[in-house]
Amino acid sequence: EAQVTQNPRYLITVTGKKLTVTCSQNMNHEYMSWYRQDPGLGLRQIYYSMNVEVTDKGDVPEGYKVSRKEKRNFPLILESPSPNQTSLYFCASSLAKTNSPLHFGNGTRLTVT
Amino acid sequence: LAKTTQPISMDSYEGQEVNITCSHNNIATNDYITWYQQFPSQGPRFIIQGYKTKVTNEVASLFIPADRKSSTLSLPRVSLSDTAVYYCLVGDYGGSQGNLIFGKGTKLSVKP
Repeated sequence: EAQVTQNPRYLITVTGKKLTVTCSQNMNHEYMSWYRQDPGLGLRQIYYSMNVEVTDKGDVPEGYKVSRKEKRNFPLILESPSPNQTSLYFCASSLAKTNSPLHFGNGTRLTVT
Repeated sequence: LAKTTQPISMDSYEGQEVNITCSHNNIATNDYITWYQQFPSQGPRFIIQGYKTKVTNEVASLFIPADRKSSTLSLPRVSLSDTAVYYCLVGDYGGSQGNLIFGKGTKLSVKP
């Protein structure tokens, strides 16, 4: 089944403890991206990647890192999480061609205390 | 980058047709218009996409006027299960444009 898989689904951590949220897709998509969703603010893009070893900042990249060493994986790294990063995170992927729709994962709900 | 504006919320009743309009005044020539549906605690999922005029699939219709500065998602005969947040996204994503800007979405509530 074609899908985008995020892990974990739920994560509670403390301020300053490094964490990684994984994202993997099995559709051979070139394009991958991360979003955070907060009440009243909709989806905001954190980082995106047009292909392996090619990443770029979205609208809210502060406090996050990403890497794209393999085509299928695009982990989101929080080196020193803070409470304002408590949010619902989504990973998405698509083919790197015009009008290719995004496929989203089911989300990771992160709480930083 | 095309910015979108949608109504924050809409209410409807089962069996009615619902039209949600999205404004995107600075849409670029290469941009497509795509609508996504999101249920609580799930990722958004693709509904429909278009470039101009009208597109219809088994779920919805998308109307795009000639100037492409707005678009309207039409959901025929909605049911309770259509209660969700609907996002309009404008861009050449996957092509040359990786930075995508979603609007805040329209929360549709369908009542019995």
